[in-house]
Amino acid sequence: AQSVTQLDSQVPVFEEAPVELRCNYSSSVSVYLFWYVQYPNQGLQLLLKYLSGSTLVESINGFEAEFNKSQTSFHLRKPSVHISDTAEYFCAVLSGGYQKVTFGTGTKLQVIP
Amino acid sequence: EAGVTQFPSHSVIEKGQTVTLRCDPISGHDNLYWYRRVMGKEIKFLLHFVKESKQDESGMPNNRFLAERTGGTYSTLKVQPAELEDSGVYFCASSLFGTGPLYGNTIYFGEGSWLTVV
Repeated sequence: AQSVTQLDSQVPVFEEAPVELRCNYSSSVSVYLFWYVQYPNQGLQLLLKYLSGSTLVESINGFEAEFNKSQTSFHLRKPSVHISDTAEYFCAVLSGGYQKVTFGTGTKLQVIP
Repeated sequence: EAGVTQFPSHSVIEKGQTVTLRCDPISGHDNLYWYRRVMGKEIKFLLHFVKESKQDESGMPNNRFLAERTGGTYSTLKVQPAELEDSGVYFCASSLFGTGPLYGNTIYFGEGSWLTVV
């Protein structure tokens, strides 16, 4: 079964500092990976996805993630965070015959002014 | 294009009462999913519809939960009778049907229905 692991439950970081949220996956077949974000008191939003092609994918708000097959990782990075990035971030993988999303346990990013 | 919409956004009910959550998927999306996140825990899959058929309901916690999708459009999730441990956020999601990497592999989520059972 495909799964993802987010080792960090909380990541505090100062504003304008870089951040990396870690995600590792386990899969023996083709893998499709996602990062979702949940801002305070809001629903889940798709941040970025890796389906195929370039291993580096970007979001519109400056986040990027790199699919690394050899390390089975899909870490999320941003070179300079903003207060508005404070949210919970979920790594996810498509499973169940590519019709079901399996989530990691989430990482709370707290940006400190 | 309208996204996945859920109603109600928030609901507070007493233990033993019934609550029905509604989800309207993105138009044309045959796949519809229900997930929930109990407070402080991970987001867990409940079930998956393809059109009006239940494809996978392995995540439904018990028989107090009933999901329907009559006509293959909107879906309802009924909890009857509600228990304290049912409190949490119930997410609905939808996607196009298909298995290719460029078709149907992005699943869009609604904003969730926040249920509090007191």
